[in-house]
Amino acid sequence: GQQLNQNPQSMFIQEGEDVSMNCTSSSIFNTWLWYKQDPGEGPVLLIALYKAGELTSNGRLTAQFGITRKDSFLNISASIPSDVGIYFCAGQLGGNTPLVFGKGTRLSVIA
Amino acid sequence: GAVVSQHPSRVICKSGTSVKIECRSLDFQATTMFWYRQFPKQSLMLMATSNEGSKATYEQGVEKDKFLINHASLTLSTLTVTSAHPEDSSFYICSARDRTGTGGYTQYFGPGTRLTVL
Repeated sequence: GQQLNQNPQSMFIQEGEDVSMNCTSSSIFNTWLWYKQDPGEGPVLLIALYKAGELTSNGRLTAQFGITRKDSFLNISASIPSDVGIYFCAGQLGGNTPLVFGKGTRLSVIA
Repeated sequence: GAVVSQHPSRVICKSGTSVKIECRSLDFQATTMFWYRQFPKQSLMLMATSNEGSKATYEQGVEKDKFLINHASLTLSTLTVTSAHPEDSSFYICSARDRTGTGGYTQYFGPGTRLTVL
């Protein structure tokens, strides 16, 4: 099925560093969602974006809905060990359409 | 945020048996639920969309007679893996869609069910 291009695929960072990851698509979406998945768990919603250009924060996390509707990014500031996990972006065209997922960004934080 | 539960969290069964997985939205009503399957180090793969009171919509390549979905109420959907085989071993995750205050939808995921078929 259709997938988003999510980058980077993996990253190793030092504790305290900032992190940035993004998703791009060849088609537009009307909703962008960012999830975090820990091993053996289901994805947990971090941030939901519903309007082009929207910039939303959730604690140390900030995400933006690209103005073209074809991309989104997620930033994590001052990373801590519990930020370790896999981050997935997901786009949705409309309320009745299924989510399209990126392949995930695997984040490792070195203390 | 909204809470979605799944039961069981882990199941081991013999080849040829059937396994039922329950998905519940605990604090909201979900007319639509989704079932995903995830292999190690891969993204989530949508199997089917479950609509309350009607037949599920299956994605291409997913056998509807093997993966039976029932969405009998606004808070419960079940996935039954019939005549399970080792290749059905995977992490199954359900998701429920909740309406937002602005009229859009947000999907919340359950904690997943690890199925191992011997």
